[in-house]
Amino acid sequence: AQSVTQLGSHVSVSEGALVLLRCNYSSSVPPYLFWYVQYPNQGLQLLLKYTTGATLVKGINGFEAEFKKSETSFHLTKPSAHMSDAAEYFCAVTINTGNQFYFGTGTSLTVIP
Amino acid sequence: EAQVTQNPRYLITVTGKKLTVTCSQNMNHEYMSWYRQDPGLGLRQIYYSMNVEVTDKGDVPEGYKVSRKEKRNFPLILESPSPNQTSLYFCASRRGQNSNQPQHFGDGTRLSIL
Repeated sequence: AQSVTQLGSHVSVSEGALVLLRCNYSSSVPPYLFWYVQYPNQGLQLLLKYTTGATLVKGINGFEAEFKKSETSFHLTKPSAHMSDAAEYFCAVTINTGNQFYFGTGTSLTVIP
Repeated sequence: EAQVTQNPRYLITVTGKKLTVTCSQNMNHEYMSWYRQDPGLGLRQIYYSMNVEVTDKGDVPEGYKVSRKEKRNFPLILESPSPNQTSLYFCASRRGQNSNQPQHFGDGTRLSIL
């Protein structure tokens, strides 16, 4: 089975500062990795995904993530935080023959003006 | 508009009273899934369905039932709800059999079991 660990349940950054949200995964086979964002009272929206190919993945709203197999990581970054980035972020993993998805416990991002 | 629709959005009920949360998608997606979201635990998969009449257990299926009689609908049934099933529930759908496709989520159903 696969699993995901998100370090830091709460992260605060100043507006304009770098955003770094950490995700480590466990999988015995090549994983498919996803980052989702959840705004208050809404469902989850896909930010970006890694399946195969280029390990640096760009997503919506200026976010990107890099798949590092040697570190079993898929950290999410954004160069400059905006107030509208305040939300809950979830990392998720599955495999190419899998239909079960495993989500991390989430990281709540606060952006300070 | 492509969407996943859940009903009801909010429900307060009592222990043991059977309830059904409906989920419908208009994207002709083959794959559908139910999750529950609890503080500090993230989202956990309850059941999923690869297509009509094909369902399977996720990580936390105890106390839940599902059915997939039509492609667009995937109701979640709590036959005898208990307080530990108080949670925020999400339905999601995905195109095709390939798990590299992203899931589309509904807006959630908040259940309170007293």
